[in-house]
Amino acid sequence: DAGVIQSPRHEVTEMGQEVTLRCKPISGHDYLFWYRQTMMRGLELLIYFNNNVPIDDSGMPEDRFSAKMPNASFSTLKIQPSEPRDSAVYFCASSLRGQKITDTQYFGPGTRLTVL
Amino acid sequence: QKEVEQNSGPLSVPEGAIASLNCTYSDRGSQSFFWYRQYSGKSPELIMFIYSNGDKEDGRFTAQLNKASQYVSLLIRDSQPSDSATYLCAVNHDYKLSFGAGTTVTVRA
Repeated sequence: DAGVIQSPRHEVTEMGQEVTLRCKPISGHDYLFWYRQTMMRGLELLIYFNNNVPIDDSGMPEDRFSAKMPNASFSTLKIQPSEPRDSAVYFCASSLRGQKITDTQYFGPGTRLTVL
Repeated sequence: QKEVEQNSGPLSVPEGAIASLNCTYSDRGSQSFFWYRQYSGKSPELIMFIYSNGDKEDGRFTAQLNKASQYVSLLIRDSQPSDSATYLCAVNHDYKLSFGAGTTVTVRA
């Protein structure tokens, strides 16, 4: 079975450029999460969607970050303009709502972003 | 105060020993608790979850939960070199997971 797919796996860009990260959740999953992981701050939830609708974006650091989920099979996280402090590993995760309190989130391989 | 606190380690244990990992959380409304393992350069993968007070065993892993003390632990019995990784404690409240900083475990052969 295909897991969560993320692209690109590595991205190196220069400050000020637009960056778009992509995610394909596990087929049939109705929740999608975007996380960011850094040494300083650990793993942080940025935003999550339910049935393609953004539910909570309180973790999005600032207006430079935006996320969309146009359909059940695809989501993007965009940073415009990018800054060196955005350098991190960005993970996408998905889950299927069942009993809720024990729903498991399955993580993609991540995108390692470096902003020079 | 951070929502989820873990000993950062590193925790070094000999092969075959028990590794004990601890996690405390601040939100008393937290509903369920997860342990994820993350190998260097890889994504987190679920080891197990627990939501009722007491112990839950799965193979060589045992999770323990004490809601009154706001404390979760993970025991790894008969530790193997392949258990060397960072272990992340995650706490669920209203479907949002808050992660601890992780404890790095090294199993010495």
